[in-house]
Amino acid sequence: GENVEQHPSTLSVQEGDSAVIKCTYSDSASNYFPWYKQELGKGPQLIIDIRSNVGEKKDQRIAVTLNKTAKHFSLHITETQPEDSAVYFCAASRAYTGKSTFGDGTTLTVKP
Amino acid sequence: NAGVTQTPKFQVLKTGQSMTLQCAQDMNHEYMSWYRQDPGMGLRLIHYSVGAGITDQGEVPNGYNVSRSTTEDFPLRLLSAAPSQTSVYFCASSQQGVVTGELFFGEGSRLTVL
Repeated sequence: GENVEQHPSTLSVQEGDSAVIKCTYSDSASNYFPWYKQELGKGPQLIIDIRSNVGEKKDQRIAVTLNKTAKHFSLHITETQPEDSAVYFCAASRAYTGKSTFGDGTTLTVKP
Repeated sequence: NAGVTQTPKFQVLKTGQSMTLQCAQDMNHEYMSWYRQDPGMGLRLIHYSVGAGITDQGEVPNGYNVSRSTTEDFPLRLLSAAPSQTSVYFCASSQQGVVTGELFFGEGSRLTVL
């Protein structure tokens, strides 16, 4: 089955700095790669996603890159703010299956 | 729309007891799934369903049972609770027939087994 590794497990940055979280996956048939943000006491919520036919996608301060050959994808957050502090999960799945394999999560702390 | 609703939010059980975690969604999603979240281990898939009457096992199905009699509801049953089942449980749903598979999560059910 699919295996997703996520690094780092914790990340602390100063407000205004950039944060990068990296994931690798094992199943070459995976074609959908979402990122979820989980705030304390809440369920994860999708913040950005990318499909395998796209190399990069941006949404304001958030961007995701995908390298299908190397089987890795990354989340980039620029100009970080304290409200970006949360746990971030990457995931990989095959579209139309309704299920995803998740990384172990990264706890991001943005210090004011 | 309420989205995905899970009950109860908190539950304490004794070893050997059984219980059902409820999950309901009002988005007419075909796909529903249950994940458990343990510290440092991300989200692991327990069971999932691609439609009413159809269920399948995920990565960690032992000790859990599911059924899907309607599109809206997907209850998770713990048959004989064990301390290893202490965890936070999330129900999620997603729409069939679209390229992306965005999961919509409930707020979680925190279960402690003594």
